[in-house]
Amino acid sequence: QQQVKQSPQSLIVQKGGISIINCAYENTAFDYFPWYQQFPGKGPALLIAIRPDVSEKKEGRFTISFNKSAKQFSLHIMDSQPGDSATYFCAASSDYGGSQGNLIFGKGTKLSVKP
Amino acid sequence: SQTIHQWPATLVQPVGSPLSLECTVEGTSNPNLYWYRQAAGRGLQLLFYSVGIGQISSEVPQNLSASRPQDRQFILSSKKLLLSDSGFYLCAWSVYFATQYFGPGTRLTVL
Repeated sequence: QQQVKQSPQSLIVQKGGISIINCAYENTAFDYFPWYQQFPGKGPALLIAIRPDVSEKKEGRFTISFNKSAKQFSLHIMDSQPGDSATYFCAASSDYGGSQGNLIFGKGTKLSVKP
Repeated sequence: SQTIHQWPATLVQPVGSPLSLECTVEGTSNPNLYWYRQAAGRGLQLLFYSVGIGQISSEVPQNLSASRPQDRQFILSSKKLLLSDSGFYLCAWSVYFATQYFGPGTRLTVL
């Protein structure tokens, strides 16, 4: 129940296309859902995050869509660029306002954007 | 602004040798600190977390230990490395709202 299931494992998209990565969870106590972007040899960087009181959050070309009833959330990358090629991790926490701040991570999606 | 440092950046160690990886955070007080391991092409495995000096919680029983001797210092150690300890070790910090910020990582190869 503490798992976050992420799909697909890898994704190839043409430049200018839309990249979509999906995550699903079971624990209804999760109340914070961040996405991280990781380039090879680097630490993950926070990309965008959402809380369950909103269904969508957009920052530039990156959008999180959140479906509370289905217990799913997804990352959409519009107008994908070769520089977006990276591994993306979704995560969830049931400790948004708590003292530990632990995150449960998905297994990651390796995105390749072809020029 | 907050900054997180990890060293060394890369490390090659023989099996059976000891290990000490260090993580320090600047620009914040009393952060939560985390150690993760990432195997090649794999996800993030939480190893340890700490909510304060001397307070360490272990997530996975293994050949590693962690210590927090100072508020903004987190150390990952091993007495005897195994081949399976190879990986990319990441330190992270958080203060508010479960938002974690990762360091640059240490690439450990055990031969």
